[in-house]
Amino acid sequence: GAVVSQHPSRVICKSGTSVKIECRSLDFQATTMFWYRQFPKQSLMLMATSNEGSKATYEQGVEKDKFLINHASLTLSTLTVASAHPEDSSFYICSAVPGYDTQYFGPGTRLTVL
Amino acid sequence: SQQGEEDPQALSIQEGENATMNCSYKTSINNLQWYRQNSGRGLVHLILIRSNEREKHSGRLRVTLDTSKKSSSLLITASRAADTASYFCATDANDYKLSFGAGTTVTVRA
Repeated sequence: GAVVSQHPSRVICKSGTSVKIECRSLDFQATTMFWYRQFPKQSLMLMATSNEGSKATYEQGVEKDKFLINHASLTLSTLTVASAHPEDSSFYICSAVPGYDTQYFGPGTRLTVL
Repeated sequence: SQQGEEDPQALSIQEGENATMNCSYKTSINNLQWYRQNSGRGLVHLILIRSNEREKHSGRLRVTLDTSKKSSSLLITASRAADTASYFCATDANDYKLSFGAGTTVTVRA
């Protein structure tokens, strides 16, 4: 089946640091990828839609200057959390759409900001 | 925004029993999907049911969809310890963006 990877799987950083998370579709091309955030014991909340070759579209309440998304190629999207603070600590999950109904999720990245 | 509501929030059953969880949503959908998430891990896609379908099976999973009531159910038959996980429904309104329900945490006791 289709595989989506995320790197790193977990990161611990100091407050004020910028953190980059990569999402790759390993065996298919994805013109669209999504970024979700999940707080402990809560559901996934869509943050933004990443479109290859164009600017990301952000959901209401998500700061575009805080969460920078770059969809550099058909297999790679990156999420950069700029100047991370403890309240940004969360589980970040990406998904990639191969062009039909099902989308495939990455294994997630746990971010802890001290 | 989060569209689906799920119940129960938590379910504890004995191995071999069936587990049923329900999902309700608010707006029109193109399809509804169910996912499983083991603690601290990514999502595993279980099953997708389109808005013009009423029931779908996959192995020990049975999903129903009632668009008139805007609700869906997931039945896991003959549960196993490995089925212990959180289960989420997610609706797609035809743009691939998924709105997730709050999830049901299922614990299967050996």
